Amino acid sequence: EVYLVESGGGVVQPGGSLRLSCAASGFIFSRYDMMWVRQAPGKGLEWISYISSSDTTMYYADSVKGRFTISRDNAKHSLYLQMNRLRVDDTAVYYCARAPPPTIYGVVTHYYFYMDAWGKGTTVTVS
Amino acid sequence: ETVMTQSPATLSVSPGEGATLFCRASQSVNDNLAWYQQKHGQPPRLLIYAASTRAIGIPARFSGSGSGTEFTLTISSLQSEDFAVYYCQQYNNWPPLTFGGGTKVEIK
Repeated sequence: EVYLVESGGGVVQPGGSLRLSCAASGFIFSRYDMMWVRQAPGKGLEWISYISSSDTTMYYADSVKGRFTISRDNAKHSLYLQMNRLRVDDTAVYYCARAPPPTIYGVVTHYYFYMDAWGKGTTVTVS
Repeated sequence: ETVMTQSPATLSVSPGEGATLFCRASQSVNDNLAWYQQKHGQPPRLLIYAASTRAIGIPARFSGSGSGTEFTLTISSLQSEDFAVYYCQQYNNWPPLTFGGGTKVEIK
């Protein structure tokens, strides 16, 4: 069974930093692209960052670009989110999520960027 | 950025009845559209991907349709465990990946 377990959340003052971790198990972590998605209290889902399986490509939402850094350690089956210069509007539950692996049809490779597994989330409060 | 708009915001349905949820994209996303279910205090769960393919373990009463800019999620006969918030997400035009604002399905 796939497990994604986030940790590292807490209460921090505006301008502070936190580092979130996501421990993965039950699948070959190094073969999967990973994401961070957050949800502010009472609000909807917001994608914030992506990292490729090979750790070569990263993307960020504009709301966090320049302040957050996604990384991974495939040897430790772990995903990270370094969050700097935190703001009150960064207050949210932060979910680690997995994207399904690509499928290969002959010479064509199809990539998929939905989330087929989610952790339970870790809460970040900036106040 | 591709904006995803879901309607209605809230849907009141009696158990056993059907429900149809809508998701519209501001530009074509082809069939690169996923649906998620989220119950209170829980993470989202993948229901549908590629607009109409059910994820592993999802009951047949859930079905998705559409392509381009208009999509629907249909629940054929609501069970008690289906009352939740449902989100659509496009993964065709990104970054950023974008979600709709959600539809809350509540007990009538």
